[in-house]
Amino acid sequence: GIQVEQSPPDLILQEGANSTLRCNFSDSVNNLQWFHQNPWGQLINLFYIPSGTKQNGRLSATTVATERYSLLYISSSQTTDSGVYFCAVAGGTSYGKLTFGQGTILTVHP
Amino acid sequence: DTGVSQDPRHKITKRGQNVTFRCDPISEHNRLYWYRQTLGQGPEFLTYFQNEAQLEKSRLLSDRFSAERPKGSFSTLEIQRTEQGDSAMYLCASSVVTEAFFGQGTRLTVV
Repeated sequence: GIQVEQSPPDLILQEGANSTLRCNFSDSVNNLQWFHQNPWGQLINLFYIPSGTKQNGRLSATTVATERYSLLYISSSQTTDSGVYFCAVAGGTSYGKLTFGQGTILTVHP
Repeated sequence: DTGVSQDPRHKITKRGQNVTFRCDPISEHNRLYWYRQTLGQGPEFLTYFQNEAQLEKSRLLSDRFSAERPKGSFSTLEIQRTEQGDSAMYLCASSVVTEAFFGQGTRLTVV
């Protein structure tokens, strides 16, 4: 199956700083999603981005499918951005079944 | 759009008991997935339904686990003879084709 690696595993920032989270995957995909898991465990959809670039407020994401990686950018970080960020991918024959990375734990200090 | 709903949110059970969780997907979504997440890990796929048909099961889904989706609407996940290793967050997701949306999860603690 597809392998997904996220980096860094942990990231500590001061409020207002910018950050970049990376997701590498081992095979071609037809789905790539970024999620933020809140303290109660729910996965919040950030981006559906199998290719290209999208922006939503202070967050943006870029997927370079030919090189098998995706980047999540967080600008002007806030304490409410803290939590775990997951990248998840699905390949062409997987019926949309997602394979998740191990996540990046982001801590933003005031 | 009320989103994916899971019930209960939390369940504490004694080892050896049976438990059942429910998932109500987004109404127009024909695909439904169950995942399990243990502490410090990303969610792992358990099983997939397209309408009422269960099309794929992970090897993680031992014979103590069974899932159903009668009439292609809500789904249930039952764990029989629970073990301490079953303690985890159980997540349900639904989709039309690709982009998946997750419920709040059911956190199971087996004591």
